Amino acid sequence: AQSVTQPDIHITVSEGASLELRCNYSYGATPYLFWYVQSPGQGLQLLLKYFSGDTLVQGIKGFEAEFKRSQSSFNLRKPSVHWSDAAEYFCAVENQAGTALIFGKGTTLSVSS
Amino acid sequence: NAGVMQNPRHLVRRRGQEARLRCSPMKGHSHVYWYRQLPEEGLKFMVYLQKENIIDESGMPKERFSAEFPKEGPSILRIQQVVRGDSAAYFCASSRGDRPYGYTFGSGTRLTVV
Repeated sequence: AQSVTQPDIHITVSEGASLELRCNYSYGATPYLFWYVQSPGQGLQLLLKYFSGDTLVQGIKGFEAEFKRSQSSFNLRKPSVHWSDAAEYFCAVENQAGTALIFGKGTTLSVSS
Repeated sequence: NAGVMQNPRHLVRRRGQEARLRCSPMKGHSHVYWYRQLPEEGLKFMVYLQKENIIDESGMPKERFSAEFPKEGPSILRIQQVVRGDSAAYFCASSRGDRPYGYTFGSGTRLTVV
């Protein structure tokens, strides 16, 4: 069955430091992968998505993610974190039928000053 | 260019009452998806609808839950005889339906059952 694993439940990063959030997926074919961000009490905002082509994907707010088929990973990165990046981050893969997204349980990012 | 509109933002219901959650998709989007987010968990898919059709309801609980997307008007997620365990955030997403899909999410309805 398709699944998404985000190994880190909570991460704390100092402001200005780099960030990497891990995501591993289980999927037989070429996956459609997404990263979303959710601020407290808000909806989900799409950061970036991967469908095909270049394995390094650029998103909004200075985020990027790299698709690594050999590792079944789609890790999210940012070179310098800002306090406003504190939020919950969700990785998702589209199911094979193309009818739904399968989400990981999320990683909560805290930013310390 | 309004995004996905969900209302109400917050809904309080007593046990046994009915809850109706509404979702208006983005302009130009004819596909609607409902997800539920329980505390400490990620989002779980519930149902996928196109106008007047349910395409995939594999994530819907078998009882008390139903969804529709009529020809005119918003999509409705209906929960009958609510119980405390239904307390959650319910999110709607919409897309144009052509792959690769771009899913746009609404701000959600937070249902509290007391």
